[in-house]
Amino acid sequence: DVKVTQSSRYLVKRTGEKVFLECVQDMDHENMFWYRQDPGLGLRLIYFSYDVKMKEKGDIPEGYSVSREKKERFSLILESASTNQTSMYLCASSADSGLAPPMQFFGPGTRLTVL
Amino acid sequence: AQRVTQPEKLLSVFKGAPVELKCNYSYSGSPELFWYVQYSRQRLQLLLRHISRESIKGFTADLNKGETSFHLKKPFAQEEDSAMYYCALSGGSSNTGKLIFGQGTTLQVKP
Repeated sequence: DVKVTQSSRYLVKRTGEKVFLECVQDMDHENMFWYRQDPGLGLRLIYFSYDVKMKEKGDIPEGYSVSREKKERFSLILESASTNQTSMYLCASSADSGLAPPMQFFGPGTRLTVL
Repeated sequence: AQRVTQPEKLLSVFKGAPVELKCNYSYSGSPELFWYVQYSRQRLQLLLRHISRESIKGFTADLNKGETSFHLKKPFAQEEDSAMYYCALSGGSSNTGKLIFGQGTTLQVKP
């Protein structure tokens, strides 16, 4: 079974702090994703990475950055946390596929509260 | 622009009643559509994808390109179906698996 783990289930930070969210997958997947999940808005893609050191902006990258130094690990960084970044953050991974888009495997999520 | 719309935030039905969760999409090419589900206190997981044309846990979904819809259906709802359901679209132009999700619909099955 694919396992995607996230470093924290719950996190409370203060406005202006630098925040690191870590995600690790154990299935040698090429692609990794960071989403935020908000009621009424669904999942919105922040960033994704299709290879080590490669990244692409998603739909809402402002205020975030990412790092992928190793294939199994994808980090989301909030350079200066703000209250509007209070949310549930989901990490996902998928394998490169041939013909059909691959399914994504999700982590349990990190609920971040910024005070 | 690529978009997925789930018009219902909440769908509440009684056990044994039919269920239809609506999903409409906007995409100019040939889309790949998925349904993901999140049960209480569990992680988001794939329920089904249109390319597989399979039934999972009694759910089916048919891609209707004319109506640009991919509604999720089940003839007889069970209490254990209560969950958050997301419809998702892959643009199909790459194999990275990048998805666009709808807003989600909470299905509540009452006893």
